[in-house]
Amino acid sequence: EIVMTQSPATLSVSPGERATLSCRASQSISTNLAWYQQKPGQTPRLLIYGASTRATGFPARFSGSGSGTEFTLIISSLQSEDFAVYYCQQYKDWQWTFGQGTKVELK
Amino acid sequence: QVQLVESGGGLVKPGGSLRLSCEASKFTFGDFYMSWIRQAPGKGLEWISYISSGSTMIYYADSVKGRFTISRDNAKNSLFLQLNSLRAEDTAVYYCARVMEDYDSNGHHLFFDYWGQGTLVTVSS
Repeated sequence: EIVMTQSPATLSVSPGERATLSCRASQSISTNLAWYQQKPGQTPRLLIYGASTRATGFPARFSGSGSGTEFTLIISSLQSEDFAVYYCQQYKDWQWTFGQGTKVELK
Repeated sequence: QVQLVESGGGLVKPGGSLRLSCEASKFTFGDFYMSWIRQAPGKGLEWISYISSGSTMIYYADSVKGRFTISRDNAKNSLFLQLNSLRAEDTAVYYCARVMEDYDSNGHHLFFDYWGQGTLVTVSS
């Protein structure tokens, strides 16, 4: 099983600041990486797929990058609606695994 | 807008069974792969099962293999998950999700583009 490790577990950020979230895979997954945003009491929402393609409805301040085993999600200027938990997810050989999540909270 | 509505959750004793359903609408259900994903209270996400559009390919996470069975009825736009031999650690919100495919120069990507609101399964004596 491919293990996904996210860091940090919690990120305290002020509105307008930049947030950098990391996700590491235990083996190479090329760009088979997606990111999801989950707000309290809500369903997860697809944010990024193919490591860097933004899903419909998300603004350009969200960007994803990486390949192989190291991936990054950047929120360039945090807005109040961006405070949430972010999960990375990999796909390989008909198995999917998620990271444990990074909580982005108000500093 | 794609809609996925789960039902069938509830309280069940350890060793018991439950059948979850997911009714899909606003898209051509039979054209899409589907999955079940769960989230234990206050915890992260865990993928548990996948089924292809024609039910010819089915996969499970090791944690549920041999106990859970995924199925679908394309004529009724419905996805199902039969949960048997339930354990306390199966307590979670169970989401059905549509699987989306994308291809680029790096290969074939499969991810979850729409999720239902979830149904809570509680396993407790």
